[in-house]
Order: sequence, then C-alpha cells, then structure tokens
Amino acid sequence: GQNIDQPTEMTATEGAIVQINCTYQTSGFNGLFWYQQHAGEAPTFLSYNVLDGLEEKGRFSSFLSRSKGYSYLLLKELQMKDSASYLCAVRDSNYQLIWGAGTKLIIKP
Amino acid sequence: GAVVSQHPSRVICKSGTSVKIECRSLDFQATTMFWYRQFPKQSLMLMATSNEGSKATYEQGVEKDKFLINHASLTLSTLTVTSAHPEDSSFYICSARDLAGGDSYEQYFGPGTRLTVT
Repeated sequence: GQNIDQPTEMTATEGAIVQINCTYQTSGFNGLFWYQQHAGEAPTFLSYNVLDGLEEKGRFSSFLSRSKGYSYLLLKELQMKDSASYLCAVRDSNYQLIWGAGTKLIIKP
Repeated sequence: GAVVSQHPSRVICKSGTSVKIECRSLDFQATTMFWYRQFPKQSLMLMATSNEGSKATYEQGVEKDKFLINHASLTLSTLTVTSAHPEDSSFYICSARDLAGGDSYEQYFGPGTRLTVT
C-alpha cells in the first residue's frame, strides 16, 4: 500500500530552527509537495521537489532523497505565525496526490 | 497567482436537505478539479476527481449518489451533498489543476467550505 509518515506534533521556540521529516512509500514518484495549513483554512503551497537535493525559498527549505524515500521541511527564524499544520504529499505514478496526516507545529515564545 | 474560490464559506443546514458548494478557478482554466473532505485534526481525504465535460471519478467508499459532482465548464465545479446528515458535517475543500500550468504548481486550493448539518 501507499504510505506517508510524518510526526504528529512538534514544538519549537520562536527564532529557532525546526525540521519536519516525511518518509514515503508510494506506487511511483512524480514529485513531493509541502503545504502549510492554518486551523480552519485550506492548505497553501510551500514547496515542490522532484529531484534530489535542497530547495531554498526564504525562511523555508525542502530536501528530497528519492533513494531513501525521505524529505524534510526546514523552517528557520521561526515566527509565531508559523504555528500551523504542515502536510507532506507525494504524487504517485498516476499523478494522484497521496497525503500525509500532517505535522502540527507549535511555536512557543 | 492562480486563485480558486469556493462558495459558500460556511453553511448550516438541517438534516435531510441538500447543499450545493461551488468551486471556481478565477484566473485560469482547470480541466481537472479535486474535492477533498477534512474532519477535525485529520488529513485531507480525496473524495473525487472532477473532469470538465465528463463524469467524476470517485474514491473508494465515497457514495456518488450522495455527493453529486458537476464540472460544467473549465472554471466551475459543483459538489452537492444530498440528503445531508450530521455525519456529513466537515470541511470541504476543492482544488484545481491549471490547464496551462507547469509540472510543479499543479493544484491550487480553494478556501474551503465548513458544512454543519443539524
């Protein structure tokens, strides 16, 4: 079966760095997405990786290793507004998005 | 950037009635739209894939006669929850795939519709 694993919840301090991991086992691979979702709102796109390596976009970076079925989202200089759920999603061989359950990130002052 | 709207944002209805939710791509054409449902503290669950001009493809376990999907144009898809029951109360989110978009930025999400059935 297809499976996406990410931690349920993480806590970090304002101004610090946090890494959210995602491991996947899917039928084929056509890219990995990270989305941010605030409570009661729809997800918003953060990043996309299809090749191995690190993609940096401001305070957020995303890494992919296809051979290991592994990705992480790195958030730097954490702000209170970064408190949200972070969803990892993999697009399989049928171009369907397979979603992880999400990681709730709690930022403390 | 690509914008997807949903209407209504919140709806409260009585058990047994039907509710229609609209999903529109405002500045791009979408041959494919996706309907998701999300229960509290749970991840997104794909309900169906809607293709313009053809019948929707429903995920296993989703009743197609209860959740009617119509994708009448390249910018509009509707989801009708028929004979709603309290267990249908959820957050319904649509997303749209840009016809002219590149490989990576394919799905754009609407703001969601909070349905409460009393």
